[in-house]
Amino acid sequence: AQTIHQWPVAEIKAVGSPLSLGCTIKGKSSPNLYWYWQATGGTLQQLFYSITVGQVESVVQLNLSASRPKDDQFILSTEKLLLSHSGFYLCAWSPGQEEHERLFFGHGTKLSVL
Amino acid sequence: QQQVRQSPQSLTVWEGETAILNCSYENSAFDYFPWYQQFPGEGPALLIAIRSVSDKKEDGRFTIFFNKREKKLSLHITDSQPGDSATYFCAANQGGSAKLIFGEGTKLTVSS
Repeated sequence: AQTIHQWPVAEIKAVGSPLSLGCTIKGKSSPNLYWYWQATGGTLQQLFYSITVGQVESVVQLNLSASRPKDDQFILSTEKLLLSHSGFYLCAWSPGQEEHERLFFGHGTKLSVL
Repeated sequence: QQQVRQSPQSLTVWEGETAILNCSYENSAFDYFPWYQQFPGEGPALLIAIRSVSDKKEDGRFTIFFNKREKKLSLHITDSQPGDSATYFCAANQGGSAKLIFGEGTKLTVSS
């Protein structure tokens, strides 16, 4: 069975500080990977997606970057946090190839920027 | 510009009643519409989905009704249970694209 693990579970960071969030998928080779952001009580906004190692597509510009250093790992980061970065960050995967329709989400990371 | 809209924002029904959640979209090229269920503090989970070639999709107590001409769809939850209390997101996708667009969500509360 496939499992998705996000870390950390929660973070409290200062404005201007750096950030790195991670996501690992086990039990599935070559998945498509996605980062989503969700404001409290809000919709899910897709940030990035990746269909293979080393390739990441940006969907919106929020002063964030993403990388896929390994087939099963997806990293979200920024060098300088803004207040607007607060929210819930969700990593998701789909079976790969042309399959983007069924997304499986992780439990998310709650980020508070103060 | 919100391409996928949901209403109502929140909905309360009694246990055993049918909850109706609405969704509309703007892009007529959208052809796949999943609904996700999200409990507080967790990631969303795929509940049920429909393709634009169909007008109805059923899975147990959950049914999607789809009207392509009006660009509207609705999720019906029959015999609602307290465990159905969650936020439901309608989403849309075009031609298997990697970009899945979500609506604002409907928060459903089922009271016993």
